Amino acid sequence: RKEVEQDPGPFNVPEGATVAFNCTYSNSASQSFFWYRQDCRKEPKLLMSVYSSGNEDGRFTAQLNRASQYISLLIRDSKLSDSATYLCVGSGGSYIPTFGRGTSLIVHP
Amino acid sequence: DADVTQTPRNRITKTGKRIMLECSQTKGHDRMYWYRQDPGLGLRLIYYSFDVKDINKGEISDGYSVSRQAQAKFSLSLESAIPNQTALYFCATSDRTGGYNEQFFGPGTRLTVL
Repeated sequence: RKEVEQDPGPFNVPEGATVAFNCTYSNSASQSFFWYRQDCRKEPKLLMSVYSSGNEDGRFTAQLNRASQYISLLIRDSKLSDSATYLCVGSGGSYIPTFGRGTSLIVHP
Repeated sequence: DADVTQTPRNRITKTGKRIMLECSQTKGHDRMYWYRQDPGLGLRLIYYSFDVKDINKGEISDGYSVSRQAQAKFSLSLESAIPNQTALYFCATSDRTGGYNEQFFGPGTRLTVL
């Protein structure tokens, strides 16, 4: 079982919709969590860090639930340009990141 | 200019050939990583290096070796390539301060082993 699990999707949503992804992790020692965005055949790029208190960046909100060992990403008012794969990353005490397999989002007109 | 570069960007080779993928960075980061990405499997860590004298195996190091020639350079070698090593390979860097920090990825090398 992979340490970081994501629903691969695809999530197919219309423009303007709100969509949420969850990511579960099995290593309770994991301390840091992140969401990366990857466009097709491109390199991953950091979207946002995930803080215990939750954090928001424009239309994007990330939350961490340590009790249930999952993190979430909420995207409001989806744009066509949000179409991409979203990678969940957890890092334990060794600071070695573990990537989930990614969740594919397709935003259509 | 890109902060993390990879060469070559694309490579087609035959089974049994020796292949070297190179990564260079101008970010001044101590930590460097090599990943491979296969459809449906996400990014898997092959090797990582926290400084020039520190090399560590990742999740899937069998069939691969690395060399950290300098702080800015980290090479991945396939001594005898096999078809199931066909994948997209990414190099990444991160800063050493504190715990896990944002990783910066190179543009990737698409390797095909026939």
